[in-house]
Amino acid sequence: QVQLQQWGAGLLKPSETLSLTCDVSYRSFRDNCWTWIRQPQGKGLEWIGEISHTGRADYNPSLKRRATISIDRSRGQFSLKVRSVTAADTGVYYCASATPNGLGCSSPDVWGQGTTVTVSS
Amino acid sequence: DIQMTQSPSSLSASVGDRVIITCRASQGVRNDLGWYQQTPGKAPKRLIYASSNLQGGVPSRFSGSGSGTEFTLTISSLQPEDFATYYCLQHNRNPLTFGGGTKVEIK
Repeated sequence: QVQLQQWGAGLLKPSETLSLTCDVSYRSFRDNCWTWIRQPQGKGLEWIGEISHTGRADYNPSLKRRATISIDRSRGQFSLKVRSVTAADTGVYYCASATPNGLGCSSPDVWGQGTTVTVSS
Repeated sequence: DIQMTQSPSSLSASVGDRVIITCRASQGVRNDLGWYQQTPGKAPKRLIYASSNLQGGVPSRFSGSGSGTEFTLTISSLQPEDFATYYCLQHNRNPLTFGGGTKVEIK
């Protein structure tokens, strides 16, 4: 059964870099899509970005080019970095995985447990 | 960006009721739409993929339909464990976008 286990620092100061990692079990990196999604407390879901099965990375313009997703196949992990965080980046962050859908990705079917990130001075 | 308008934003219903949630896309997304259920403190769980396909292990009282710009999630007979928030997600075009959510509460 595919599993995603995530971790990372939960408390950051403004201007610091958010860094989260997701460990993948029982799913091939090469043939699938790897995604990060966040949710401000009490609010809806926002797609941050993905690396697709073609190797292409794409991000939500709302993050103004602050986000980077990377894959470490040797460790079976993928990661998210968001630089120059502000209070607006506070929320729960989820890693997720999707199967391919043509050249793109399907809706994510497997999710990590979530990591709460708070940005406060 | 494709805007996903979900309605209603909340509803009150009783066990056994039929519940219908609607999602409208600002432009056509073919059938590239999923539905999720989220309970407090938990990650979303996919119920439906490709508009109308039931995720494995999800009870058959859940069903999805639609294509293009109009989609519905139907719960045929609401059960106590179904009280949760539901989201639609379009994955036709990046950035992927979610509906605003529908909170299903106990009447």
